[in-house]
Amino acid sequence: DIRMTQSPSTLSASVGDRVTITCRASQSISSWLAWFQQKPGKAPKLLIYKASNLESGVPSRFSGSGSGTEFTLTISSLQPDDFATYYCQQYNSYPYSFGQGTKLEIK
Amino acid sequence: QVQLQQSGPGLVKPSQTLSLTCAISGDSVSSNSATWNWIRQSPSRGLEWLGRTYYRSKWYNISAVSVKSRITINPDTSKNQFSLQLNSVTPEDTATYYCVRDMDVWGQGTTVTVSS
Repeated sequence: DIRMTQSPSTLSASVGDRVTITCRASQSISSWLAWFQQKPGKAPKLLIYKASNLESGVPSRFSGSGSGTEFTLTISSLQPDDFATYYCQQYNSYPYSFGQGTKLEIK
Repeated sequence: QVQLQQSGPGLVKPSQTLSLTCAISGDSVSSNSATWNWIRQSPSRGLEWLGRTYYRSKWYNISAVSVKSRITINPDTSKNQFSLQLNSVTPEDTATYYCVRDMDVWGQGTTVTVSS
């Protein structure tokens, strides 16, 4: 099984900051990576698919990059609505697997 | 707009079967391009993909090895829905369960507690 590891686990930042979250796969997953945002009590929301493709309706301040085993999610200028938990997910091979999450907190 | 509406009990006794249904609107369970997934989330296990069903001229079912011997995912074309059955549940199966189309449309989630 492919193990997904996110860093950091918690990130404190301020409105307007640029932040980056990293996701590493235990083996190559090409570009078969998605990023999700989750708020308390809600289902995850797809932000990015195939490593760098922005899902329809997602603000352009979100971007994704990477391939192989290392990926990043960048938020260019944090907005109040962005404070949430973020997950990466590989869908290169079964079983699909998620990172443990990065909680983005207000500094 | 595609929507998924989940239904099923929130409490299941140990050793019994967990059964959930996901009703689809705005798409078809028989779509030749979509996949229909079940994912669960718990504090101890995080987000865990359980399995999927999809139609590509015939029906396919894929399950995670961790639950493979206990899980059944079935499409119901007459009602345009799909279901999850998880047998022989234990307290470790306590989680919020989501039905998901591909990875872009999620149901509202059903919190299931396994307890006597």
